[in-house]
Amino acid sequence: GESVGLHLPTLSVQEGDNSIINCAYSNSASDYFIWYKQESGKGPQFIIDIRSNMDKRQGQRVTVLLNKTVKHLSLQIAATQPGDSAVYFCAENIEDTGFQKLVFGTGTRLLVSP
Amino acid sequence: DADVTQTPRNRITKTGKRIMLECSQTKGHDRMYWYRQDPGLGLRLIYYSFDVKDINKGEISDGYSVSRQAQAKFSLSLESAIPNQTALYFCATSDFGTSTPDEQFFGPGTRLTVL
Repeated sequence: GESVGLHLPTLSVQEGDNSIINCAYSNSASDYFIWYKQESGKGPQFIIDIRSNMDKRQGQRVTVLLNKTVKHLSLQIAATQPGDSAVYFCAENIEDTGFQKLVFGTGTRLLVSP
Repeated sequence: DADVTQTPRNRITKTGKRIMLECSQTKGHDRMYWYRQDPGLGLRLIYYSFDVKDINKGEISDGYSVSRQAQAKFSLSLESAIPNQTALYFCATSDFGTSTPDEQFFGPGTRLTVL
């Protein structure tokens, strides 16, 4: 498969555990955040998003927490499964000369053992 | 994502060659983007296009050019490929008309190796 990131931080968990992936963002004016999942050999896939007027949002087995005070974002995955193994990226929406662009973090590799 | 396709999926070329990577989408989205991904780094924006007549440089456009042939097609060219352009290249789309205009949908990627 594709080698997305040879030197990524890695989180190893057992199947059934809860996983927490963290992300620090840079711009206090960012108003929208997305978590993406990238499996080997594939492009990033949208998981969940959150706007800056919220501090928590839940999806199916996933929760995103936003702490604007410390510019921190986290993705919680409940009852982690082997199929959750992937690289996870956060992205923040930044306005740049009138254009809303996404700035991506470097990613965290999640390894789930059966 | 089958709605966003990229060709070729893999390409090996030599320094100095001109290379074109193609992207097509059936999502009907206005906006299209080209990113590159290097090991240990996040996605970096090369070029983006809001519609057929709108082309804009991203943060790392040097050595690249693009063409928006139609709403559904956005191609990336490397005028004279060099080894440090070896990377994974992703095309993405987004729809300005939705409540989440910033949500981008990615193609499967093209792995380019420049020898």
